Amino acid sequence: SQTIHQWPATLVQPVGSPLSLECTVEGTSNPNLYWYRQAAGRGLQLLFYSVGIGQISSEVPQNLSASRPQDRQFILSSKKLLLSDSGFYLCAWSRYSSTDTQYFGPGTRLTVL
Amino acid sequence: SQQGEEDPQALSIQEGENATMNCSYKTSINNLQWYRQNSGRGLVHLILIRSNEREKHSGRLRVTLDTSKKSSSLLITASRAADTASYFCATDQGYSTLTFGKGTMLLVSP
Repeated sequence: SQTIHQWPATLVQPVGSPLSLECTVEGTSNPNLYWYRQAAGRGLQLLFYSVGIGQISSEVPQNLSASRPQDRQFILSSKKLLLSDSGFYLCAWSRYSSTDTQYFGPGTRLTVL
Repeated sequence: SQQGEEDPQALSIQEGENATMNCSYKTSINNLQWYRQNSGRGLVHLILIRSNEREKHSGRLRVTLDTSKKSSSLLITASRAADTASYFCATDQGYSTLTFGKGTMLLVSP
């Protein structure tokens, strides 16, 4: 069976500090991978998605970046966090295409102070 | 907005009652999906209905799709306190990725 991991679960960071969130998927190969951000009480905003190693599509211009160094690893980064980066970050994967069923990780709650 | 839009934004019912949530979208789709999110957790896929289907069932869930009205409904029958969560619809709408609505918050009181 497939499993998706995200860490850390919660993170409190000062403004201007760097960020690195990691997501890994087990039990499948060549998944499509996604990073979403969810503001309190709001829907999901797609930040990045990847259809293969080194292939990243950015949906929203911001001070965040994503990388996929390995087939089942997806990393969300920032060099300098802003207050507006606070939110709930979700990683997800899908099997065949980016409009198929998506399977979500447990999320990371990021608070920027 | 290009997103699916859920209605109502919030719904409060008693255990045993049925809960109905609606989703409207703007353009043609290949499929529509419903997800559930418990507070502070990731989303969980509930059901997928394709554009050539009109109704689909899964346990206590019933989903309908009306492509002429560009709308879908999710019915949860005989609701339980454990059904308390936010429910999101997601559509492809011809884009390369899914777009999620803002969700309906369902509260089921014992």
